[in-house]
Amino acid sequence: NAGVTQTPKFQVLKTGQSMTLQCAQDMNHEYMSWYRQDPGMGLRLIHYSVGAGITDQGEVPNGYNVSRSTTEDFPLRLLSAAPSQTSVYFCASSYQRTGHEAFFGQGTRLTVV
Amino acid sequence: KQEVTQIPAALSVPEGENLVLNCSFTDSAIYNLQWFRQDPGKGLTSLLLIQSSQREQTSGRLNASLDKSSGRSTLYIAASQPGDSATYLCAVSTGGNEKLTFGTGTRLTIIP
Repeated sequence: NAGVTQTPKFQVLKTGQSMTLQCAQDMNHEYMSWYRQDPGMGLRLIHYSVGAGITDQGEVPNGYNVSRSTTEDFPLRLLSAAPSQTSVYFCASSYQRTGHEAFFGQGTRLTVV
Repeated sequence: KQEVTQIPAALSVPEGENLVLNCSFTDSAIYNLQWFRQDPGKGLTSLLLIQSSQREQTSGRLNASLDKSSGRSTLYIAASQPGDSATYLCAVSTGGNEKLTFGTGTRLTIIP
């Protein structure tokens, strides 16, 4: 199993540019989520999805869009990149049933200049 | 709003020692608690998951306990090894796993 795959691993953007961070999982998990990790602040939830066609906002959703057209994929779109969005982004997935752990991708390190 | 705290932020211990990492949370109405390991520049790897109805979970040299009423969890690492050096994160869910609240982690260094 590939688990949770994120692409790209590294990206540099100029302020105002847009881009999509890709996330795919091959475990047939219902739940998928996006987090950002900043020094001293831990991981914070951006958006999440409980199934195909269903998404909702997390703690820090401003400046980001998501969609979930399939169970496997959950892309995160930056609409107009800002330096404050410089961070490491992690995608996670898990089963809906209780007692199952969350699986994380290897992360995308994004720098906005 | 759920808040998760991990103290200390960093810890260094000699190889072979047993150690305890702490995690506290403000809202005791949790669904489960997970401990993760993160190596530099890498993603998170789940170590142990404790459901709200459980008191502890064990995996090899790791033992995690949960006291919901006091809002605390501990991760016990026995006979520490240099390969245990990493950042350890705890996370709680008040619903399902789609929404986790993380602590800021404890950076552990095992000194050979």
